[in-house]
Amino acid sequence: DSGVTQTPKHLITATGQRVTLRCSPRSGDLSVYWYQQSLDQGLQFLIQYYNGEERAKGNILERFSAQQFPDLHSELNLSSLELGDSALYFCASSPTGDGDQPQHFGDGTRLSIL
Amino acid sequence: QQQVKQSPQSLIVQKGGIPIINCAYENTAFDYFPWYQQFPGKGPALLIAIRPDVSEKKEGRFTISFNKSAKQFSLHIMDSQPGDSATYFCAAYSSASKIIFGSGTRLSIRP
Repeated sequence: DSGVTQTPKHLITATGQRVTLRCSPRSGDLSVYWYQQSLDQGLQFLIQYYNGEERAKGNILERFSAQQFPDLHSELNLSSLELGDSALYFCASSPTGDGDQPQHFGDGTRLSIL
Repeated sequence: QQQVKQSPQSLIVQKGGIPIINCAYENTAFDYFPWYQQFPGKGPALLIAIRPDVSEKKEGRFTISFNKSAKQFSLHIMDSQPGDSATYFCAAYSSASKIIFGSGTRLSIRP
């Protein structure tokens, strides 16, 4: 058990809809990272938050946004969903804001767009 | 230049054999190279990581070999066991590029 909790485990919705994925980091970790894993694109870094502030941005679409709350949990919002957004979305956490430190991953949210 | 090329895509090894997974990169600014192990239905878990000032690092049965001049690094699993069957991802990180993952290797260890 990595200590990182992601909810929900599965999400099924339709094109054009909006969803919110939630992540609770390990106790004591200040950074949260979001990743997308799909068959065609592999594992891609989306965005990092550190202690409530955006720290780094990767291949995140403009339709996607994230935030980290004062209690350090994070949410990833995906809007105007398209079929191609179907993927596994992982959250990871680490103690510091440095990207070259061990990250602990949750078990992901599987998003299916019908 | 931001890619990390991983091979092979899949690998089958007998129990006790030494599977080797290779990765290559172009961007010389990468300065941290982790390997992750992922079981079905689970998130990736950090296995071992290396920095470019070291040519080899061992942790238990897992060894990373790093060749800075060739811009290549590889994972060796000694005395492989069926429980090692998983997908393995190499990755490379720099402060500018952030983390880039390889495409993954599906490893199967036959009993």
